[in-house]
Amino acid sequence: AQSVTQLGSHVSVSEGALVLLRCNYSSSVPPYLFWYVQYPNQGLQLLLKYTSAATLVKGINGFEAEFKKSETSFHLTKPSAHMSDAAEYFCAVSGWYNKLIFGAGTRLAVHP
Amino acid sequence: EAQVTQNPRYLITVTGKKLTVTCSQNMNHEYMSWYRQDPGLGLRQIYYSMNVEVTDKGDVPEGYKVSRKEKRNFPLILESPSPNQTSLYFCASSDPGSTDTQYFGPGTRLTVL
Repeated sequence: AQSVTQLGSHVSVSEGALVLLRCNYSSSVPPYLFWYVQYPNQGLQLLLKYTSAATLVKGINGFEAEFKKSETSFHLTKPSAHMSDAAEYFCAVSGWYNKLIFGAGTRLAVHP
Repeated sequence: EAQVTQNPRYLITVTGKKLTVTCSQNMNHEYMSWYRQDPGLGLRQIYYSMNVEVTDKGDVPEGYKVSRKEKRNFPLILESPSPNQTSLYFCASSDPGSTDTQYFGPGTRLTVL
């Protein structure tokens, strides 16, 4: 069975600081992995996805994630946080019929 | 514009009063799904459909029904809503292939009193 664990339900950073949101997955087959962002009172927006090509994936808004098979991880990073990055972030792995198995989410707060 | 639409966006109802949340996509996608989002649990799949007249249960199907009579529409039916179905609901669509991006609707916030 596939599963996703996001470490840290809440992360707080200063504006300009590094953002690191952690995601570990479990999958019996080569995984396809996704990061979604949800801004307050909005729907889900795809940030980036890993589909077995390059292990370092670049997404929108300056975010990137690195697939590490040995660590079963797909952590999301951004070198310099902006106030507008405050949102909830979800890591997900794709299963049968494109079913997405989501982590519990990490709420990112960015303070001045 | 490629999109998934849901209606209504917000709904407050009472226990036991049947309701339907509609979902429609204009991309001719084969796959459609319903998810519910709850704090601390992320999103969980309720039901999915592989094509017209083909549906199956997801992880949390109890208390829900779906139908897929047309390719573009995938309504979610709550025959007798209960307070534990208070949640944020998302419809999604995609084409076969795990690498394909899923397109999500804007969400429906349901409150059952």
